[in-house]
Amino acid sequence: GQQVMQIPQYQHVQEGEDFTTYCNSSTTLSNIQWYKQRPGGHPVFLIQLVKSGEVKKQKRLTFQFGEAKKNSSLHITATQTTDVGTYFCAGDTGTASKLTFGTGTRLQVTL
Amino acid sequence: ETGVTQTPRHLVMGMTNKKSLKCEQHLGHNAMYWYKQSAKKPLELMFVYNFKEQTENNSVPSRFSPECPNSSHLFLHLHTLQPEDSALYLCASSQDPRAGGETQYFGPGTRLLVL
Repeated sequence: GQQVMQIPQYQHVQEGEDFTTYCNSSTTLSNIQWYKQRPGGHPVFLIQLVKSGEVKKQKRLTFQFGEAKKNSSLHITATQTTDVGTYFCAGDTGTASKLTFGTGTRLQVTL
Repeated sequence: ETGVTQTPRHLVMGMTNKKSLKCEQHLGHNAMYWYKQSAKKPLELMFVYNFKEQTENNSVPSRFSPECPNSSHLFLHLHTLQPEDSALYLCASSQDPRAGGETQYFGPGTRLLVL
């Protein structure tokens, strides 16, 4: 079945440093979504990418969808303590009524 | 605040107990989902209901029994669970997954501990 892997599993940065998480799918995706889960919370939708090579920005967050539509990345510039949480990508193959969530990257930010 | 509520928020049960988790969505969506989230594991999709019909069962053991009486309510009935079933159970909803690319809105989850 479809698998979606993320690296790294965990990253600890100091506030102000940049952070990137990478998402790789075993199959071509029709679109990819990103979610953030704060500690003790539930996943919250951040963004969806649909087009090959698409890049979208939300303030300090930059999301990219690979040309082959099998990988994606999330880059945070100048992290803040409010960025703490686990970031999940979720892939949709477009052929079934479900998303496949990635393994997640847990981000810790300290002062 | 997401329009998806879950009760109870915390549950402790013995292996011989029977309990039910409840999910309600106030977003007018047509699809509802149950996920299991264990420590150090990705979100595991358990069941999908679309227009009250079950469209996905990801090889979930029969000790978990879902029920979807209407598009706004989803239940997960639990019986004779095992300690390894302890996890955060998340409910989610979306407009219509058949269209693809549907954003999912998650509830706060029920944290279950099986003793």
